[in-house]
Amino acid sequence: GQQVMQIPQYQHVQEGEDFTTYCNSSTTLSNIQWYKQRPGGHPVFLIQLVKSGEVKKQKRLTFQFGEAKKNSSLHITATQTTDVGTYFCAVRGGSQGNLIFGKGTKLSVKP
Amino acid sequence: DSGVTQTPKHLITATGQRVTLRCSPRSGDLSVYWYQQSLDQGLQFLIQYYNGEERAKGNILERFSAQQFPDLHSELNLSSLELGDSALYFCASSVVGFGDTQYFGPGTRLTVL
Repeated sequence: GQQVMQIPQYQHVQEGEDFTTYCNSSTTLSNIQWYKQRPGGHPVFLIQLVKSGEVKKQKRLTFQFGEAKKNSSLHITATQTTDVGTYFCAVRGGSQGNLIFGKGTKLSVKP
Repeated sequence: DSGVTQTPKHLITATGQRVTLRCSPRSGDLSVYWYQQSLDQGLQFLIQYYNGEERAKGNILERFSAQQFPDLHSELNLSSLELGDSALYFCASSVVGFGDTQYFGPGTRLTVL
């Protein structure tokens, strides 16, 4: 079935540094979604990318979908302590097209 | 607030017992999903229901079962509980369930002693 690899598993940064997490698939994706889970919280939808080469921005967050629609990245510029959490990508997979989540990247930010 | 509610928030029980977790989806959402998240682990998809019917199954143990009722709320039943079943159980809902955006509830933290 559909699988998606997410790297790195953990990232520790100093406040103000940039952060990037990557999601890779061996097959072409129809779309990709990104979620954020704060410590002690539940996953919250951030964004969906659909088009090849698409780039979307949300304040300090930049989301990219690869030209071949096989990979995606989430980049945070100048991290803040509020960015702490686990970031998951999710793609359509399975026999019924349900979402398959990556294992997530856990971001910690040192003030 | 996602609009998805889950009860109870916390559950502590003993090995061998049976528990039921409850989820009410967002108004208008027809699909309900159940996920298990162990400490520092990712989201393990368990099962999906759409408008009362089972649609997709993930890594759900035979000791676990779920159903979705006519009013669209869902229950996840966990039986013969083991220590390893201790985890956060999330319910999520979406409008139709074909890879559309999922809205997660706050989760139920299950502790098996």
